[in-house]
Amino acid sequence: EIVLTQSPATLSLSPGERATLSCRASQSVSSYLAWYLQKPGQAPRLLIYDASNRATGIPARFSGSGSGTDFTLTISSLEPEDFAVYYCQHRRSWPYTFGQGTQLEIK
Amino acid sequence: EVQLVESGGGLVQPGGSLRLSCAASGFTFSDSAMYWVRQAPGKGLESVSAISENGDITFYANSVKGRFSISRDNTRNTMSLQMGSLTAEDMAVYYCARRPRGYLCGLDVWGQGTTVTVSS
Repeated sequence: EIVLTQSPATLSLSPGERATLSCRASQSVSSYLAWYLQKPGQAPRLLIYDASNRATGIPARFSGSGSGTDFTLTISSLEPEDFAVYYCQHRRSWPYTFGQGTQLEIK
Repeated sequence: EVQLVESGGGLVQPGGSLRLSCAASGFTFSDSAMYWVRQAPGKGLESVSAISENGDITFYANSVKGRFSISRDNTRNTMSLQMGSLTAEDMAVYYCARRPRGYLCGLDVWGQGTTVTVSS
């Protein structure tokens, strides 16, 4: 089973700041990686698919990069609605595991 | 509107069974692989089961293998998850989600979730 490790567990930033979230895989997942945002009481929302492609309707301040084992989600300038939990997920081999999540909180 | 709507959750006794359903609308259902993802209270996301576009390939998490069965009906645009021998560890919000054809990785449409509670 491929393990995805997200860091940091919690990130405290202010609106307008830049956020950098990391997802590291225990073995290569090539570009089979996605990022999601989840707000309390809501279903996850796809942000980035195939490691670096923004999903439909996702603002340009969100970008994804990486391949193999190291991936990054960058939010260039935080908006108030961006404070939530972020998950990465791979699809390299079953089970398609998720990372444990990064909580992005307002400083 | 592209939409997934889950149903079938509820309260079940330990050892009991439940059948979840996911109704799709607004897109060509047979073009998408489909997933069940669950989230236990206060916990992260777990891939429970997945089924290919035509239903010939299925996957199960080790924790549910032999107890859960996934299926789909492309003529009715529905997917189901038959769950048996339920335990407290199965208590969660269950989401259905789709991965569209052409995506290597990414579930772009999710249902609102249906809650499964296992308790006597």
